[in-house]
Amino acid sequence: QVQLVQSGAEVKKPGASMKISCKASGYNFLNYYMHWVRQVPGQGLEWMGIINPSGGGTTYAQKFQGRVTLTRDTSTSTVYMELNSLRSEDTAVYYCGRIRRGKWSYIGYWGQGTLVTVSS
Amino acid sequence: AIQLTQSPSSLSASVGDRVTITCRASQDVSGALAWYQQKPGKAPKLLIYDASSLESGVPSRFSGSGSGTDFTLTISSLQPEDFATYYCQQFNSYLTFGQGTKLEIK
Repeated sequence: QVQLVQSGAEVKKPGASMKISCKASGYNFLNYYMHWVRQVPGQGLEWMGIINPSGGGTTYAQKFQGRVTLTRDTSTSTVYMELNSLRSEDTAVYYCGRIRRGKWSYIGYWGQGTLVTVSS
Repeated sequence: AIQLTQSPSSLSASVGDRVTITCRASQDVSGALAWYQQKPGKAPKLLIYDASSLESGVPSRFSGSGSGTDFTLTISSLQPEDFATYYCQQFNSYLTFGQGTKLEIK
């Protein structure tokens, strides 16, 4: 069965960087795009970007352009999300999510989420 | 960017009620719309995709309809486990989520 297992919670200081992992299993990693979505506590879902695990191509939401980088390691079926220049407003739960088909699609499978707290 | 507006933002209802949540897109998204359910501390769960297709394993009391800019999620007879927050999401152009509708017990 499809599983997405994310790395554990982190606490970061303002100005620092974070890098979260999302390890996929139960399917051919190369065949499905992966999205990253975040949720600030008490708020809604916000799309951050997408990566093609096959070629590594990425598209980012305009809000995060220049601050976010998505990468992947095909040898371990893992995608990574790095966010730089952290500020308190980046305190959120970050989710990876695998689409069901194509590139722009609904998210059929979600990771468990990673809470990142940005605080001095 | 396409914006999605859900209404209402919150809703109180009783077990057995029929509930409808609407999602309006700022421009035509054709049928590229999904609905998710999220419970506290959990990842969202896909309910409906392509505006009206029921995800496998989701109870048939959930249904979706609409196309273009106006969409609805209907729960025909609320069950205790349905009290949660619901989000619409368009995937016609990048991804956008609605702001959510919190469904609470009356």
